[in-house]
Amino acid sequence: GESVGLHLPTLSVQEGDNSIINCAYSNSASDYFIWYKQESGKGPQFIIDIRSNMDKRQGQRVTVLLNKTVKHLSLQIAATQPGDSAVYFCAENKKGGKLIFGQGTELSVKP
Amino acid sequence: EAGVAQSPRYKIIEKRQSVAFWCNPISGHATLYWYQQILGQGPKLLIQFQNNGVVDDSQLPKDRFSAERLKGVDSTLKIQPAKLEDSAVYLCASSLGPSNQPQHFGDGTRLSIL
Repeated sequence: GESVGLHLPTLSVQEGDNSIINCAYSNSASDYFIWYKQESGKGPQFIIDIRSNMDKRQGQRVTVLLNKTVKHLSLQIAATQPGDSAVYFCAENKKGGKLIFGQGTELSVKP
Repeated sequence: EAGVAQSPRYKIIEKRQSVAFWCNPISGHATLYWYQQILGQGPKLLIQFQNNGVVDDSQLPKDRFSAERLKGVDSTLKIQPAKLEDSAVYLCASSLGPSNQPQHFGDGTRLSIL
C-alpha cells in the first residue's frame, strides 16, 4: 500500500542549531509534497511545498529537499528557535487532492 | 485573510449521542476537507468536497458519519450515534482547488466520548 513515513518520532536540538527532519514516501507517482507544523491545540500550519519537478525549494529559514530516486523528503530549519518546537508532518498529495500524512516528528528546541 | 473557522472548539458527549461540527472555509476556496486526527497520529481524510459535491468519501464511516456543504461554502459534519473510538480532533481544511494546492487547516474540534 501507499504510505508516508518519518524516520524519527522525536528530535531535540539546541537553540540556534539547524534542524533536519526526514520523511520517506512509497508512491513514486506522487507529484506534490507538503510540510506542516502543528503546535499543541492547533491545526496543521502550512510551511512549504514542493512539486516533483523540483529538487529543492527554499522559504524563510526553511528548505525542503526532494530526492525522487530514493523517495525521500527532508525539511531543514535554519537557526532553530524555541518557537519552532512542534510536531512536523510531511504529507503526500495524491492526484485529486487526497493528502496522506505521516506520523509526525516532534521537534524540541532547548534554550 | 481570515483562516478556516471551526466550531465548537471542544465537545464532550456520551456514547450513542449525536454531535455536529461546523466549518467556514477561506473565502474563495472551492475545495473543503474534513479530517480526523487521533492523538499521536497524522490527520486522516474523511471527506472531500468540490463546491457542494462530494469528491471522495471513501474513508467516511457512512453508517454513523454524514457531511454536507449545501451552498458550496460552509460545511457541517455529523456523527450519530457516537462511539468511544470517535474521540479525536476533527479538522476542516480548504484549498483553492482539488489538486496540488496547499490545504489550509482550522484549529479543529476536540471531541471526547464518555
